[in-house]
Amino acid sequence: KNEVEQSPQNLTAQEGEFITINCSYSVGISALHWLQQHPGGGIVSLFMLSSGKKKHGRLIATINIQEKHSSLHITASHPRDSAVYICAVAYSGGGADGLTFGKGTHLIIQP
Amino acid sequence: DAGVTQSPTHLIKTRGQQVTLRCSPISGHKSVSWYQQVLGQGPQFIFQYYEKEERGRGNFPDRFSARQFPNYSSELNVNALLLGDSALYLCASSLVAAGKGEQYFGPGTRLTVT
Repeated sequence: KNEVEQSPQNLTAQEGEFITINCSYSVGISALHWLQQHPGGGIVSLFMLSSGKKKHGRLIATINIQEKHSSLHITASHPRDSAVYICAVAYSGGGADGLTFGKGTHLIIQP
Repeated sequence: DAGVTQSPTHLIKTRGQQVTLRCSPISGHKSVSWYQQVLGQGPQFIFQYYEKEERGRGNFPDRFSARQFPNYSSELNVNALLLGDSALYLCASSLVAAGKGEQYFGPGTRLTVT
């Protein structure tokens, strides 16, 4: 069964720092999602990746299919980036099982 | 356009009772997935429905059931509630079957079982 591992579990950084969150998985996937969850529970989809790299504003997501690894980067971090960042994968072969989620990385950006 | 909506927002039930949670997907989305998120953990997949048919089920007991209506809205039912069912229940909709497309999440229903 595919497991999704995220690191670090918790990260505290100063405003302006470059942030990297890592995600690894163990079997073939059809897509990888990066999600953001704020206190109170709402989840926002940041990226869906199947290969390469995507950029949206200060957020960059990369995936290496061969190494089964993805990273989420935040440039020029800001206190409003404080949230839980969750990696989730869709298995290859239909996606009928929905998404399998990592436990999340709790990010705090201090001013 | 309205996003994914869920009702109710919060719910308190007693052990042994039954609960129904509701989800309305984004207009045009035919797939609805349900997830359970226990405090401090990542969400766990419960069900996926696509075009009104069950397309996947996670590792949850038969006390959990769901259905999708002709207008693609969905209900999640949980019978014989246990304290361990206390969680945030999230609904997500997508244009295509979950896993193949971007998913849009609702705000969740926070269920407390006492």
